[in-house]
Order: sequence, then structure tokens, then C-alpha cells
Amino acid sequence: DTAVSQTPKYLVTQMGNDKSIKCEQNLGHDTMYWYKQDSKKFLKIMFSYNNKELIINETVPNRFSPKSPDKAHLNLHINSLELGDSAVYFCASSQDQSSKETQYFGPGTRLLVL
Amino acid sequence: DAKTTQPNSMESNEEEPVHLPCNHSTISGTDYIHWYRQLPSQGPEYVIHGLTSNVNNRMASLAIAEDRKSSTLILHRATLRDAAVYYCILRALLRDDKIIFGKGTRLHILP
Repeated sequence: DTAVSQTPKYLVTQMGNDKSIKCEQNLGHDTMYWYKQDSKKFLKIMFSYNNKELIINETVPNRFSPKSPDKAHLNLHINSLELGDSAVYFCASSQDQSSKETQYFGPGTRLLVL
Repeated sequence: DAKTTQPNSMESNEEEPVHLPCNHSTISGTDYIHWYRQLPSQGPEYVIHGLTSNVNNRMASLAIAEDRKSSTLILHRATLRDAAVYYCILRALLRDDKIIFGKGTRLHILP
């Protein structure tokens, strides 16, 4: 059983398009996250939701809009895609926001904007 | 910015112990020390964490200096599957604390 799953695994699209990445966790966790790993392999947090409520919103363009329909899902919608959005996007979850809690990461979505 | 310093890369022979160092001289009294690793083409995975005392689990051991300004992740018997980037991370005891990943240490295992 996959604990944190993401779809799609690969996404190739043209500049200017709008796309969504979906994430689901079956761990019963309250907190979910989106991270971006760029070509230099730096991994940075973008958003964090706790019980469907936005907790962390880093300096991310407002073209990126997370949506949490329920606490098991956190989707990421990206409008007007740009070349610089090309990266690997990881979803993660944890039991709660506590700093003691382990974060479980999904396999990543490799986005390539042409 | 990451509050930890790690060597960019290390090499070890298969089936030998590996000691991965991490400096965190600005650690505060309530910061937890977490280690994650990222295998090639995968998401990061949790390895171990601790506060003050040394910790052991099935994956590794964590040795924390008495002043807590440094720690060492110990893989007791490295295998080829342990080749990965290892991240040492401090997490503050705050409800909205976020993980800040540094560059990590890329561990190469030689057969």
C-alpha cells in the first residue's frame, strides 16, 4: 500500500498552460505539505495544510494555488506555467504539525515546462 | 537558510560503518535534530531524530554531542542501497515550524 501517492508521475506541458498535481495520503495524518525540488536539487517547502487549513505559505507566486478538499488530499494547481516552474514537486504528510513528527514523502511529480 | 553544515560528499566501502557528521552550532535548547535521506529519483525518507540522548533504530544510530552543537549519523554496515543524499535538519518546537533542507551530504558506496 502506498502511504503518500501523487499523480501524475510525469507532466510535460507548454508554457502558459494550467495544470494540477494531485496528492493523497492514507495514513490518517492531519498535516500535508508541498515541496519543490529544483534542478540544483534544493528542496524547499511551498505550502502546509493542517486539517484543511493553510498553515504555511512560503513566498510562492500566486499562480500556485493549493486546495485541500479533505485532510487526506492536497492538490496543487498551477496557472500560466512558466519555464522556471520545471522541477520535481513532492507531497508529504505528517501526523500533525509538531516538530517531533516524521514527514512521509510521496514519489514526486516531475514537471517539465516547454 | 539551513541551520546545519554538512560535507558535500563522502565515500565509504560496502559493508563498512559510515559516520556522517553535521554541525549545528546555533541550535537552541528545544530544537530537534532530524535526519532524512533521499535515494536517487525518490522522495526524502525519514531516518532518525533525537533531542539530547543518542538514539538507535533499525536504520541507523544518532550520536549527539554533549553540547548539542554537532551530531553524527551512523550507518553500521553500509550497503549499496544506502547511496543517497543525507540531510541533517533542525526543527524548532513550534506548531508551524517547517523543515528547511540544506544541501545535504551525498554518500557514495563503493562495492
